Order: sequence, then C-alpha cells, then structure tokens
Amino acid sequence: SAVISQKPSRDICQRGTSLTIQCQVDSQVTMMFWYRQQPGQSLTLIATANQGSEATYESGFVIDKFPISRPNLTFSTLTVSNMSPEDSSIYLCSVGGQSQETQYFGPGTRLLVL
Amino acid sequence: QKEVEQNSGPLSVPEGAIASLNCTYSDRGSQSFFWYRQYSGKSPELIMSIYSNGDKEDGRFTAQLNKASQYVSLLIRDSQPSDSATYLCAVNRSGTYKYIFGTGTRLKVLA
Repeated sequence: SAVISQKPSRDICQRGTSLTIQCQVDSQVTMMFWYRQQPGQSLTLIATANQGSEATYESGFVIDKFPISRPNLTFSTLTVSNMSPEDSSIYLCSVGGQSQETQYFGPGTRLLVL
Repeated sequence: QKEVEQNSGPLSVPEGAIASLNCTYSDRGSQSFFWYRQYSGKSPELIMSIYSNGDKEDGRFTAQLNKASQYVSLLIRDSQPSDSATYLCAVNRSGTYKYIFGTGTRLKVLA
C-alpha cells in the first residue's frame, strides 16, 4: 500500500483562524478523500479531492468552510476555515489502493481549537 | 436507522478466545465491505475486505458476509491482548467508492 504522510500531525489554534492540512502520498493515486473523526465518534467523509477539478463535498460540508486543493496525483490540502471549538477533531486523508475499492489512511492531524 | 450499525461495546474476551464482531448495513446496493482496526490515538488500519457472500480468511481473521441479511462480521481467533482496539466496519455507498463507517466496536482482550 502507499505511504501517506500528513502535516501537521497536531496543532492548537485560536477560534476564527484557519489551518491548512497537507496530505502527501509516495505514489500517484486516483482517489483521495478527506475525513473527520470527532472525539469518540466514527469517521465522517468530508469530501472527495479530485485532481484538476473542484472537490466533491458530502452533505453538511461546504467549500467555504473546508476548501480543498488537489494539484496533482500525489498531494492534497484541506483547509479548515474560520475555526470554532466544534472543529476540534482528527482530520484524516485516505487514498484508494490498487483495488479502487480499498482505502488506506494517513496518520491524521489532531486539531484543537480554543 | 443508521446506515452502518455496530455495537459500541466494549466486548471483552479472554486471551485465546474467539472474538466475534458484527455489523449491519442498510444500503442493499453496497458491494464492498471492510474491517479496519484503530488503536487509541492512531489512524484506521485495513484488516480485511470482502465482496462476495460467504467467508474470507486471512490468518487469525475471518470476515463473513451475508448480503441477503445485510450483515457482515469479523471473527478473530486466538485473540491476543494486542488485538485490543476499536474495530470499524465500512461499507461502500452503492455505485461509489465512498465509504460509510459504523461507530466501531471496542474490543478488550483480557490477559
């Protein structure tokens, strides 16, 4: 499976600010996704990051709050904008495997908003 | 009804026993089913995928799928304390590569 890294691994931010999370993969992948895992909860898909076009957002998530970039097949960013304490969560990127159905997760970014 | 349901646990089993984890799903069009293990503070790790009715074995792990009953399970044989983790069931949304996750079952293997 691909090796996936995320930066930063964790951060503490003030409300009203924005944070950009990077996801880097060591090989080209077609499918790349961003998830959120709130404390004690399961994973919720935020959006699919599409190379060369706008991301596809799930219900309840909007581009103004979570802008996503996917400039190439190995890299994506997720920005959490105008943060509030409710945005405190783990943010995970995942990539599709050789079998498109399977997904592998990055190590996650732990965000605390004060 | 939740799209993917799991008992949150904790499920406690003694070391060496079989742990049985269950998951039901609502989307009859789902074709791909996955089990992930998540240790506290870590990201999910893929354990098994299953696409056809029946059993699929990989080492100490067996995934079972019954599409008619919309049920998927994971059996862990010879459970070890290192298996203590939260096990997440994921199901694809029909016609897509997108996953829906259950809330996870916390497994405790007692030494």
